[in-house]
Amino acid sequence: DGGITQSPKYLFRKEGQNVTLSCEQNLNHDAMYWYRQDPGQGLRLIYYSQIVNDFQKGDIAEGYSVSREKKESFPLTVTSAQKNPTAFYLCASRRLKDAAYEQYFGPGTRLTVT
Amino acid sequence: DAKTTQPTSMDCAEGRAANLPCNHSTISGNEYVYWYRQIHSQGPQYIIHGLKNNETNEMASLIITEDRKSSTLILPHATLRDTAVYYCIVVPNTGKLIFGQGTTLQVKP
Repeated sequence: DGGITQSPKYLFRKEGQNVTLSCEQNLNHDAMYWYRQDPGQGLRLIYYSQIVNDFQKGDIAEGYSVSREKKESFPLTVTSAQKNPTAFYLCASRRLKDAAYEQYFGPGTRLTVT
Repeated sequence: DAKTTQPTSMDCAEGRAANLPCNHSTISGNEYVYWYRQIHSQGPQYIIHGLKNNETNEMASLIITEDRKSSTLILPHATLRDTAVYYCIVVPNTGKLIFGQGTTLQVKP
């Protein structure tokens, strides 16, 4: 998992509640990413941040929000506006090596909303 | 971003080489080929990447055809722990990674 921490591994919430997923990295990477994975599916990009205090929407940003106040941290809030929040959430960070980017992923948080 | 085509699933005998193919016929000159794998319920793991030359690291080898329209990931001596979904991704150097369905590799004893 290369120095990316996501906690908790499993999270349960009631419908209508906002929930924040944490992501911390000690790799000194500038860029960080949030993905969502549904059963049997590939990863879909929610939000990403190239630098502190800046972030951009990915392909499925509706119902989610993020902040990037520190280089090491990129928390994701799943709001009550997200229609189908139950999923496996993955955080990643990226570094430049030998003129190409390597992206490293955290262990993931499995969110269940009932 | 260029699309990739991978077989849905493959089997490999333990101890043998696993050769995972990927077609990326629309790849453009500045796009890299990346390989990741995901073991069930874990985050994807970076394996290797390349532009046009063959690459080798401690995990695998990447063979890219001369026209760059296809590539093969080689796990030289597959173990049961290599059972996973393997993703071939083609993306510009500064672009985002787009994960498709990947190939489910089952290593059998």
